[in-house]
Amino acid sequence: EAGVAQSPRYKIIEKRQSVAFWCNPISGHATLYWYQQILGQGPKLLIQFQNNGVVDDSQLPKDRFSAERLKGVDSTLKIQPAKLEDSAVYLCASSSPPGLRGIDNEQFFGPGTRLTVL
Amino acid sequence: RKEVEQDPGPFNVPEGATVAFNCTYSNSASQSFFWYRQDCRKEPKLLMSVYSSGNEDGRFTAQLNRASQYISLLIRDSKLSDSATYLCVASLPLVFGKGTRLSVIA
Repeated sequence: EAGVAQSPRYKIIEKRQSVAFWCNPISGHATLYWYQQILGQGPKLLIQFQNNGVVDDSQLPKDRFSAERLKGVDSTLKIQPAKLEDSAVYLCASSSPPGLRGIDNEQFFGPGTRLTVL
Repeated sequence: RKEVEQDPGPFNVPEGATVAFNCTYSNSASQSFFWYRQDCRKEPKLLMSVYSSGNEDGRFTAQLNRASQYISLLIRDSKLSDSATYLCVASLPLVFGKGTRLSVIA
């Protein structure tokens, strides 16, 4: 079974530039997550989709970050304009939808995109 | 945002040792709990889910104490290959701890 695919794997940009990341989840997984992981920290949830609807985007800095999952499969995360503090690994994960009582299932993570903002 | 707190370590232990990691969560409404493992410069991977009655998978044992909002992971007979960062996760909403780094030394 193919895993979660992400591209690009690495990106270096200057501050105030724009950047976009792409994620293709595991086939059949309705739930898709974007995380930001700064060096030495745990992953921080930016946005969670169920099919093409947003479940949680409370920690997404909406003045500069946006994400979409128009057809309920692939997703893109965009940063515009980037700041130095956006340097991090951006992880995409997917899972089957939560089960009874909202119990979450195992998340499968992609390899991540390592972003460096100069 | 509700928090998940972990001792960052590092824990440096000899092969064969038993090591325990602890984690506390602040959201009493959290329903699901997990331990993920993350190797250096790799993505996190599920180690085990944590059930109310406690659960064991080989050398790994996870415990949940809802009254104290506390989760633990016990690793017995540590192997060199257990060296990694162990992430505690609580949901809903989804919150990862900062991770505890383990180094198993020959």
